Amino acid sequence: GQNIDQPTEMTATEGAIVQINCTYQTSGFNGLFWYQQHAGEAPTFLSYNVLDGLEEKGRFSSFLSRSKGYSYLLLKELQMKDSASYLCAVRVPYSGAGSYQLTFGKGTKLSVIP
Amino acid sequence: KAGVTQTPRYLIKTRGQQVTLSCSPISGHRSVSWYQQTPGQGLQFLFEYFSETQRNKGNFPGRFSGRQFSNSRSEMNVSTLELGDSALYLCASSLDQGLTEAFFGQGTRLTVV
Repeated sequence: GQNIDQPTEMTATEGAIVQINCTYQTSGFNGLFWYQQHAGEAPTFLSYNVLDGLEEKGRFSSFLSRSKGYSYLLLKELQMKDSASYLCAVRVPYSGAGSYQLTFGKGTKLSVIP
Repeated sequence: KAGVTQTPRYLIKTRGQQVTLSCSPISGHRSVSWYQQTPGQGLQFLFEYFSETQRNKGNFPGRFSGRQFSNSRSEMNVSTLELGDSALYLCASSLDQGLTEAFFGQGTRLTVV
C-alpha cells in the first residue's frame, strides 16, 4: 500500500520561516511533488524532487531524502497569502510500462498570522 | 494559454441518479487524470487516460468510469450516486503519462442529497 504522512495543521507568523514535513512509504518511487491549494481553488504546482537534495525556487525550497522516505517544503519570508493547504504527492509506478500515478498526502493547512 | 477547464463547477444530484463531469485539458496535453477530494480522505486518484486509453485506475467501485476523446477531452461518469460521493472532483492534465508536472482544473463540486 501507499502511505504519505504530513502534519494536519501548522501556524506561523508573517515574515517567519516554516518547514512542512512529509514522510512516505510507497511501493516504488519516481519523484515527489509539492502543491499549494487555497481554499476553494485548484492545487497549483510548487516543486518537484526526484534526486536527493535541495531544490530552491524563490521563497520556496523543497528537500528530498529517498533513503529516509522524507521530504520537506521550506517557506521563507512568510506572507499572509501563503495561508493555504500544502499537499505532498509521490509519483509511483503503476503496472504497465511507463505508467505512473500521483498519490497524495492529506495536506497541511498552514495559517499565517500577523 | 488556456488552463484546464472543468464543467460544470457545481452540481446537486439526488441519490440513485447518475452524473457526467467534463474536463478539457491544456492544449497539447494528452494525459488526463481524475481525483476525488474530500475533507477526510484528501485527494484520491480515480483514473488516468492517455491517448483515449485508461492506463491507471484507483481503488474506486465500478460505478466510477470515464473516457477520453480523440481531442484529449475527458469525461467522468458516476452512476447510482450515493451520499458519500459528495466531493470535489478534480482533473489534472499533463503532457505525457509521466505526470512530470500536472496542472489542475478548478474542479466540480458535486453534492448528493
